[in-house]
Amino acid sequence: GENVEQHPSTLSVQEGDSAVIKCTYSDSASNYFPWYKQELGKGPQLIIDIRSNVGEKKDQRIAVTLNKTAKHFSLHITETQPEDSAVYFCAAFMDSSYKLIFGSGTRLLVRP
Amino acid sequence: GAGVSQTPSNKVTEKGKYVELRCDPISGHTALYWYRQSLGQGPEFLIYFQGTGAADDSGLPNDRFFAVRPEGSVSTLKIQRTERGDSAVYLCASSPWPGNTIYFGEGSWLTVV
Repeated sequence: GENVEQHPSTLSVQEGDSAVIKCTYSDSASNYFPWYKQELGKGPQLIIDIRSNVGEKKDQRIAVTLNKTAKHFSLHITETQPEDSAVYFCAAFMDSSYKLIFGSGTRLLVRP
Repeated sequence: GAGVSQTPSNKVTEKGKYVELRCDPISGHTALYWYRQSLGQGPEFLIYFQGTGAADDSGLPNDRFFAVRPEGSVSTLKIQRTERGDSAVYLCASSPWPGNTIYFGEGSWLTVV
């Protein structure tokens, strides 16, 4: 079955710097890769997603890149702000199974 | 419109008791998912419904766990003879159709004492 690995587990950056979180997936049939932000005591909130027919997608300060050959995808946050501090999860989805498999999460801390 | 709604938000129960957790998906969403999240970990898949039927229940840990969605909308996750290891946040999510964006609720925090 699908397995998603996520790195780093924790990330601390200075406000205004960039943050990068990386994920790898095991099943080449995966075709949809969302990223979720989870704040303490709340459910995961979708922040950006990418499908396998696209290599990069941007939404203001957030971008996601996908390398299908290497089975890697990454989240890039530029000009980080303290309110970006949260746990971020990557996930991979296969149409054949309709299951979303999550990485283990990255705790991002943006220092003011 | 409203997002995915889960009740209760918090539940404390004694070991051995029966609990039900309810999920109201976004109106019109045909796909419904249950996930379990332990502290410091990512959500783990439990079961997926397409309409009224459980299309994939391979993530249910054992036969103490059961879920229903009788009318294709609201779903209930049922846990019998609860154990302390069942303590976790149970997340419900829905999607307009399989393969589309999946939206999560705020979760039901279950504590078994």
